[in-house]
Amino acid sequence: ETGVTQTPRHLVMGMTNKKSLKCEQHLGHNAMYWYKQSAKKPLELMFVYSLEERVENNSVPSRFSPECPNSSHLFLHLHTLQPEDSALYLCASSRTAWEKETQYFGPGTRLLVL
Amino acid sequence: AQKVTQAQTEISVVEKEDVTLDCVYETRDTTYYLFWYKQPPSGELVFLIRRNSFDEQNEISGRYSWNFQKSTSSFNFTITASQVVDSAVYFCALSGLNSGGYQKVTFGTGTKLQVIP
Repeated sequence: ETGVTQTPRHLVMGMTNKKSLKCEQHLGHNAMYWYKQSAKKPLELMFVYSLEERVENNSVPSRFSPECPNSSHLFLHLHTLQPEDSALYLCASSRTAWEKETQYFGPGTRLLVL
Repeated sequence: AQKVTQAQTEISVVEKEDVTLDCVYETRDTTYYLFWYKQPPSGELVFLIRRNSFDEQNEISGRYSWNFQKSTSSFNFTITASQVVDSAVYFCALSGLNSGGYQKVTFGTGTKLQVIP
């Protein structure tokens, strides 16, 4: 596979469930990102990892828990979510976390919280 | 603080018409980067172009062209002879550095383009 992949593509979960989103990049990049895209709102940066170290946590509620076991994989663990957390969750990667780098995005996971 | 404004929420054009998507940005950084992404209905953001703040040369790639005007803080995107496959949401983005020295990307709210056959 090439580029950035995300699984699952669609997820429906109840507020008491625990689930995880997975992202994998095949580009040899060292930085990875989680974004949330809600209807009618700009993309919201959630987390940034550089060389497996978290370097940005954008005031995200603790019910979202990221994990970066290596530079190719990024997870977003979900628990006790709220209906307003329903959104498209996008993963991205870039060569480094410097400002000149282009971020390449995966297809996203469309999450619905009931 | 960084800000990106895409004032056009939705645009509809008839196939083969030209269309320009506007992007205005605000930043205090002297070095920054501007991007355009395309998001088709499938959801994935597709990278289109990156420009740095020191390069104001306009760029053309096939039917796509970009006009970077630092004096007006604008980075507009024109599609010539639009096609139905151009229908998507287009995002303009601005990249600078956060307080920790890492990339901080601010996206606009997007412009939904519908090309009617």
